[in-house]
Amino acid sequence: DIQMTQSPSSVSASVGDRVTITCRASQDIAKWLAWYQQKPGKAPKLLIFLASTLQSGVPSRFSGSGSGTDFTLIISSLQPEDFATYYCQQSSSFPITFGQGTRLE
Amino acid sequence: EVQLLESGGGLVQPGGSLRLSCAASGFTFRSHAMNWVRQGQGKGLEWVSTISNDVHSTYYADSVKGRFIISRDNSKNTLYLQMNNLRADDTAVYYCAKNPGGGFSFGHDYWGQGTLVTVSS
Repeated sequence: DIQMTQSPSSVSASVGDRVTITCRASQDIAKWLAWYQQKPGKAPKLLIFLASTLQSGVPSRFSGSGSGTDFTLIISSLQPEDFATYYCQQSSSFPITFGQGTRLE
Repeated sequence: EVQLLESGGGLVQPGGSLRLSCAASGFTFRSHAMNWVRQGQGKGLEWVSTISNDVHSTYYADSVKGRFIISRDNSKNTLYLQMNNLRADDTAVYYCAKNPGGGFSFGHDYWGQGTLVTVSS
């Protein structure tokens, strides 16, 4: 199974900050990576797929990069509604696996 | 508008069974692969199972293989998860999630609101 490791596990930030979250795969997954945002009590929301493609309707302050084993999610200027937990997910092969999550507070 | 509405969750004793349903609307159901993803209280997301749009391919997490069965009825626009021999560690909110197309590799673009399954005596 492919293990996904996110860092940091939590990050403290303020409105307007630039935030970077990283995700590392235990083996090469090319660009088969997605990022999700989840707020308490809500279902996850797809932000980015194919490592860097922004899902329709997602603000442009979100961006993703990387390929192979190392990936990054960047929020360029944090907004109040961005405080949430973020997950990466690989879909290169089954079983699909998620990172453990990064709580942005 | 895409809608995914899960139902069938509840309290069940260890060793018991439960069938979850996910009623889909607002898109061409038969053209999209579908998934179940779960989340224990205060825990991260765990992929459970995926079924291809044409029903012919199914995939399972090791933790549920041999106990859970994913299926779909494209004539009813409904996804199912039959859960047997339930264990305490199956306790979670179960989400139904849609893939953007028939493929498996572009993430899950729409999710239901989730249904809670509690396994306890």
